[in-house]
Amino acid sequence: DGGITQSPKYLFRKEGQNVTLSCEQNLNHDAMYWYRQDPGQGLRLIYYSQIVNDFQKGDIAEGYSVSREKKESFPLTVTSAQKNPTAFYLCASRTGTGASYEQYFGPGTRLTVT
Amino acid sequence: QKEVEQDPGPLSVPEGAIVSLNCTYSNSAFQYFMWYRQYSRKGPELLMYTYSSGNKEDGRFTAQVDKSSKYISLFIRDSQPSDSATYLCASPSTGRRALTFGSGTRLQVQP
Repeated sequence: DGGITQSPKYLFRKEGQNVTLSCEQNLNHDAMYWYRQDPGQGLRLIYYSQIVNDFQKGDIAEGYSVSREKKESFPLTVTSAQKNPTAFYLCASRTGTGASYEQYFGPGTRLTVT
Repeated sequence: QKEVEQDPGPLSVPEGAIVSLNCTYSNSAFQYFMWYRQYSRKGPELLMYTYSSGNKEDGRFTAQVDKSSKYISLFIRDSQPSDSATYLCASPSTGRRALTFGSGTRLQVQP
């Protein structure tokens, strides 16, 4: 089955620790995205990547870092510099061809930092 | 002003009702709109997309765009308890190939 996988589903960390969230897709999509969702709020863009070895900051990139070494993978690191990291993190991908804008999402990772 | 605004609800309706979910957008350059459905603690799933003004129908769902008033709507006919979810509208962001999302409207369909 083609799709996007995120792991783990739930993640707990102590304050001050960096943590990396995994995102893998087998849809052969060129573009990948990371969003953050807080209760009662929509999705806010953290980082996105249109192609391997290239990525851009979104609206709330501070305290986060990413890499895109393979087309299939776009891991997100939540660093200790992120002031309020507890949230639901969603990874998405999109085909890079044509004028298509539709993004397809993974199941999400719920991060709790105490 | 946010680029896409959406009433957060919650909206509670009885089973079988017609539901109207709405968004407004500020950027007149937006031409492409999407509706996503998100069940609790899950990732959003693409429900419908529509390009330019007019209606698009898919089963019980109809997406409508009114570019003159910068208003987009999603209608659900014969609503079912399984339609209970948060509905997010989205449009391509200005200047980049990403999406801007509304805050989502939480819908509860009572059996």
